Amino acid sequence: QVQLVESGGGVVQPGRSLRLSCAASGFTFSNSGMHWVRQAPGKGLEWVAVISYDGTNADSVKGRFTISRDNSKNTLYLQMNSLRAEDTAVYYCAKDLSTGVIDYWGQGTLVTVSS
Amino acid sequence: DIQMTQSPSSVSASVGDRVTITCRASQGISSWLAWYQQRPGKAPKLLIYAASSLQSGVPSRFSGSGSGTDFTLTISSLQPEDFATYYCQQANSFPLTFGGGTKVEIK
Repeated sequence: QVQLVESGGGVVQPGRSLRLSCAASGFTFSNSGMHWVRQAPGKGLEWVAVISYDGTNADSVKGRFTISRDNSKNTLYLQMNSLRAEDTAVYYCAKDLSTGVIDYWGQGTLVTVSS
Repeated sequence: DIQMTQSPSSVSASVGDRVTITCRASQGISSWLAWYQQRPGKAPKLLIYAASSLQSGVPSRFSGSGSGTDFTLTISSLQPEDFATYYCQQANSFPLTFGGGTKVEIK
């Protein structure tokens, strides 16, 4: 079965960087587009970034965030720079079913930006 | 960016009730719409994609309809496990955007 396991969350000071990872299994990772979606405490869902199956195309709503992948390791990444308090959220790794529809989600990793 | 507006923001209903949630897009998105269910403390779960296609394993009491700018999610007979928050999401163009959510609560 599809498993997406995020890691790398925690408490970080404003202005610092953090890299999230997502280990994928149970499907052919190198054939699937992948997303990051976040959810601030008590709030709704916010799409963050997408990357194509081969890593050649990527898009993000946050210029400070960079999505990448290593298909040899079945791992997705999110590099987050210049973090702000408003970036505090649970970050979900998610698998693309077809061009923007998400069919599987990880359990999420909490990022707290605070001094 | 395409704005997605859901209504109502919350609804109180009883087991067995029929519940309808609406979602409106700020511009036409054809049938590029998905619905997700999120239970407290859990990750979202895909229910419906392409406006009306039921995701594998999702009970048939869930159905979706609409195209263009106006969409609905219907739960034909509410079950205890259906009390959750529901989100619509447009997949027409990036950035992907979600509605604000509809919380279905026990009456």
